[in-house]
Amino acid sequence: GAVVSQHPSRVICKSGTSVKIECRSLDFQATTMFWYRQFPKQSLMLMATSNEGSKATYEQGVEKDKFLINHASLTLSTLTVTSAHPEDSSFYICSANSPGLAGGPTDTQYFGPGTRLTVL
Amino acid sequence: DAKTTQPTSMDCAEGRAANLPCNHSTISGNEYVYWYRQIHSQGPQYIIHGLKNNETNEMASLIITEDRKSSTLILPHATLRDTAVYYCIVRYSGGGADGLTFGKGTHLIIQP
Repeated sequence: GAVVSQHPSRVICKSGTSVKIECRSLDFQATTMFWYRQFPKQSLMLMATSNEGSKATYEQGVEKDKFLINHASLTLSTLTVTSAHPEDSSFYICSANSPGLAGGPTDTQYFGPGTRLTVL
Repeated sequence: DAKTTQPTSMDCAEGRAANLPCNHSTISGNEYVYWYRQIHSQGPQYIIHGLKNNETNEMASLIITEDRKSSTLILPHATLRDTAVYYCIVRYSGGGADGLTFGKGTHLIIQP
């Protein structure tokens, strides 16, 4: 259980175009999803928190008008990189928060396989 | 969330137990210890988490010291596929609204 998918797994686009990445929780409902970015040889960095039915919360330094997030349902969040430039080339990874087991206090984030974006 | 400290890299022979340490000396009472790993070019994979008792699942065991200031992730019979970067993360229970803070992790290399 607790599977998160991302689509596409890899995308190459021209500078100035927009790219949409989908993140789905396949076997659970996620009120909250997260978007991370990872540059080569670096660790994951949280970009934004996506809440179903409300506006996303962005980390400091992440442009909300460039990285548009929509969380229209409990199983789907999308990240759109608008007017992409070569410096936006990165590995984008989403995660979804799965509630704890019945009676348990903790919840766990499960990650998608990632999307490799290359902007030419 | 409390900060964690892990060795940068470790080697382990295939078939042996891999023991990955993590220090979290500033952990507070309601913070859990989570372990994830990231195999090259993939998303992180959840391994295990615990509060104060030792935990075991099909992937690994988690040993947390009595004072909760450190923990050890144990992969009982390491295989080449266990080569990955392992992240130890401390997080509040029920912190569903909070993203995770990833440090540099430990690069575990399983040697044939």
